[in-house]
Amino acid sequence: GAVVSQHPSRVICKSGTSVKIECRSLDFQATTMFWYRQFPKKSLMLMATSNEGSKATYEQGVEKDKFLINHASLTLSTLTVTSAHPEDSSFYICSARGQNGNTIYFGEGSWLTVV
Amino acid sequence: DAKTTQPTSMDCAEGRAANLPCNHSTISGNEYVYWYRQIHSQGPQYIIHGLKNNETNEMASLIITEDRKSSTLILPHATLRDTAVYYCIVHYTGNQFYFGTGTSLTVIP
Repeated sequence: GAVVSQHPSRVICKSGTSVKIECRSLDFQATTMFWYRQFPKKSLMLMATSNEGSKATYEQGVEKDKFLINHASLTLSTLTVTSAHPEDSSFYICSARGQNGNTIYFGEGSWLTVV
Repeated sequence: DAKTTQPTSMDCAEGRAANLPCNHSTISGNEYVYWYRQIHSQGPQYIIHGLKNNETNEMASLIITEDRKSSTLILPHATLRDTAVYYCIVHYTGNQFYFGTGTSLTVIP
């Protein structure tokens, strides 16, 4: 099946710095990608929808200036957490809509720890 | 927002069928029913999806009621590796993809 890869799988950064997480569709073109965050023992919370070549659509309550999303190509979307704080520590997951439009594939997730 | 209701947790004996219910009484005519599962600290894994008809693949079967207000995911012979959180999602292509709270399935030896 289709593969979505995230990098890095784990990252530790200092408070106040920025960190970028990449999401790639490895064997298909993805016009739409979704970004989620997940806290321990909680469900996935949609942060934003990323469309290739256009601005991302953010969910209510998600700060667009803090969580910068870029979807510059049909195989790559990036999430940049700017001026990270310890409360931004979480599991971040991306997903991509396959070419048939009906199936959505998820990456392995990226653990962010802000110290 | 999620439009589904699932039991918080379920147990199933190894080798038996696991039947996971989902209520989606406000589903629209063009919304599909999707099932994903998430094993601890991994990204969700696609299982199956359907619109109206029952569906079967190598992983599971999806039974959708005629009025489409509920569905059941069936894992025919549960194994210990099927222990995971199972999410039922209703989704229309082009819209956002929201997760509900899911069902934590524990397969017992």
